[in-house]
Amino acid sequence: QKEVEQDPGPLSVPEGAIVSLNCTYSNSAFQYFMWYRQYSRKGPELLMYTYSSGNKEDGRFTAQVDKSSKYISLFIRDSQPSDSATYLCAMSVTGGYNKLIFGAGTRLAVHP
Amino acid sequence: NAGVTQTPKFQVLKTGQSMTLQCAQDMNHNSMYWYRQDPGMGLRLIYYSASEGTTDKGEVPNGYNVSRLNKREFSLRLESAAPSQTSVYFCASQRGGLARETQYFGPGTRLLVL
Repeated sequence: QKEVEQDPGPLSVPEGAIVSLNCTYSNSAFQYFMWYRQYSRKGPELLMYTYSSGNKEDGRFTAQVDKSSKYISLFIRDSQPSDSATYLCAMSVTGGYNKLIFGAGTRLAVHP
Repeated sequence: NAGVTQTPKFQVLKTGQSMTLQCAQDMNHNSMYWYRQDPGMGLRLIYYSASEGTTDKGEVPNGYNVSRLNKREFSLRLESAAPSQTSVYFCASQRGGLARETQYFGPGTRLLVL
């Protein structure tokens, strides 16, 4: 069983929809949680960073961490075609980049 | 600023051949990383360099070597390529080494080993 599980999709939604992307994990020691966005044929870019449990909001994006359920989510409000990308979750016990464990990524398509 | 650059963009190798993937960053970052990305597997760390002159193994180092040539450049070498090394390789750099800091990725090198 992988330490981090993520549904690969693809997920197809109409413009303006609320999108929910999720990851589950098995290691209860994870403390640092991240979401990356990767456009086709590009490198990933850091979208959101959360430490421990709770919510974090940045514009149209909200990251949630539920450590009791070992479940993290990324919500995208008012989705736009420019949000079409692969979204990868990543997590770490120590907070160091040399110890990041990535999910496989969920491909999202937002159609006009 | 060019950010993180990688060469080549695409390469085809035969089993047993060797090659070096080049990476350079112009952001004066201390940390640099090499990842591979395979379908259904996410990104996996091959090697990293926390600072000039230091390198260390990541999650999947077997079959690879690295050199931190100077602060700007971090190369990845495949001594004897195998079909299992067919992948997309990303180099990344970061000012420090903490997960909350932005990590900047290059455009990737697509490698096919026949």
